[in-house]
Amino acid sequence: DAGVIQSPRHEVTEMGQEVTLRCKPISGHDYLFWYRQTMMRGLELLIYFNNNVPIDDSGMPEDRFSAKMPNASFSTLKIQPSEPRDSAVYFCASTPGRGRNTEAFFGQGTRLTVV
Amino acid sequence: AQKVTQAQTEISVVEKEDVTLDCVYETRDTTYYLFWYKQPPSGELVFLIRRNSFDEQNEISGRYSWNFQKSTSSFNFTITASQVVDSAVYFCALSEAKYGGATNKLIFGTGTLLAVQP
Repeated sequence: DAGVIQSPRHEVTEMGQEVTLRCKPISGHDYLFWYRQTMMRGLELLIYFNNNVPIDDSGMPEDRFSAKMPNASFSTLKIQPSEPRDSAVYFCASTPGRGRNTEAFFGQGTRLTVV
Repeated sequence: AQKVTQAQTEISVVEKEDVTLDCVYETRDTTYYLFWYKQPPSGELVFLIRRNSFDEQNEISGRYSWNFQKSTSSFNFTITASQVVDSAVYFCALSEAKYGGATNKLIFGTGTLLAVQP
């Protein structure tokens, strides 16, 4: 398997623009997680899905952020409108379902810069 | 609430020295999982180990070893004979375990930057 695939790897956008980050989890994995890494807050969970259903979005910073998982092989994280403080590395991760415990497999991350 | 503390922000050692990275965690769960991840300068997160809260047996993998002590809520990581390639940020993480399995919703520590000088 190719692992968790995120796109784009780098994104530079102007303040106020809409940004969409994409993630393809490992085939067969039931859980998908979005994390954000910043210098100030470290690595923090934004939202996670189980079988395409959002389970916990308490980490989503505000209404400007939204995440969807329309099917088992694709998820998006959208920021609209973007602000400079959204600049961070966004990681997507996936894991198998309950009873098949293992580590979270992370994508390479998307480095977002909002200017 | 769950929390992971990595008190060491930065550590600098000379190649071939042994180094221990500390990790202290807090949780009210009786079943949980602990992890270590490595983040090299290239930025990806590399899985190193997962430990079940019921398994306090220490583990060794090559130059890496882990010491899990529930009595002190610690899960320390030791690199023996460090190498320049070990230079990275190392994260300790905690995962709650519910319904018979780990959700792998990870609570990360703030990380320890390890610099190994040649």
